[in-house]
Amino acid sequence: AQSVTQPDIHITVSEGASLELRCNYSYGATPYLFWYVQSPGQGLQLLLKYFSGDTLVQGIKGFEAEFKRSQSSFNLRKPSVHWSDAAEYFCAVAPSGAGSYQLTFGKGTKLSVIP
Amino acid sequence: NAGVTQTPKFRVLKTGQSMTLLCAQDMNHEYMYWYRQDPGMGLRLIHYSVGEGTTAKGEVPDGYNVSRLKKQNFLLGLESAAPSQTSVYFCASTEFSGEQFFGPGTRLTVL
Repeated sequence: AQSVTQPDIHITVSEGASLELRCNYSYGATPYLFWYVQSPGQGLQLLLKYFSGDTLVQGIKGFEAEFKRSQSSFNLRKPSVHWSDAAEYFCAVAPSGAGSYQLTFGKGTKLSVIP
Repeated sequence: NAGVTQTPKFRVLKTGQSMTLLCAQDMNHEYMYWYRQDPGMGLRLIHYSVGEGTTAKGEVPDGYNVSRLKKQNFLLGLESAAPSQTSVYFCASTEFSGEQFFGPGTRLTVL
């Protein structure tokens, strides 16, 4: 069964500092990979996704993620964090190819931003 | 487009009561999903549907039932609510891309 690990439960960074959120997955083949963000009391919004091709993907709000097959990782980065980035971030995987497109989520990383 | 909508937004039940959560999407998506979100657990799949008239179990289906009578609607039912079902419930839908679009959630408390 596929699984997703987000090792950091809570991260605190200063506004303007760089950010990296870690995500490792366990799956037999290269899955589809996603990062979602959830602001307090809100639903989930897609930040970016990787299906194939270029391993560095750009998303919304200045985020990017890099897929590293050898490390089974899909880490999320942002060069300069804004106070509005404070939220919870979820990494998710889905089996590649046709199917039910079920997502398996990590348990999330809560990001706090110090002004 | 409204995207994915959920009704109701909040609900308080007593143990043993029943209720139905409604999810509606206006994107003509084939696939729909119900998740529950609990602190520190991420989102866990309850049931899903790959098309009108179909349903399947996810990771945590016990105590829930679903129906997909119309393509745009996906209903989640609790026949006899238990305190362990206190959670935030999210509905999502997707077309053949894997990118899921989420509703705003329903916060359910079972006393």
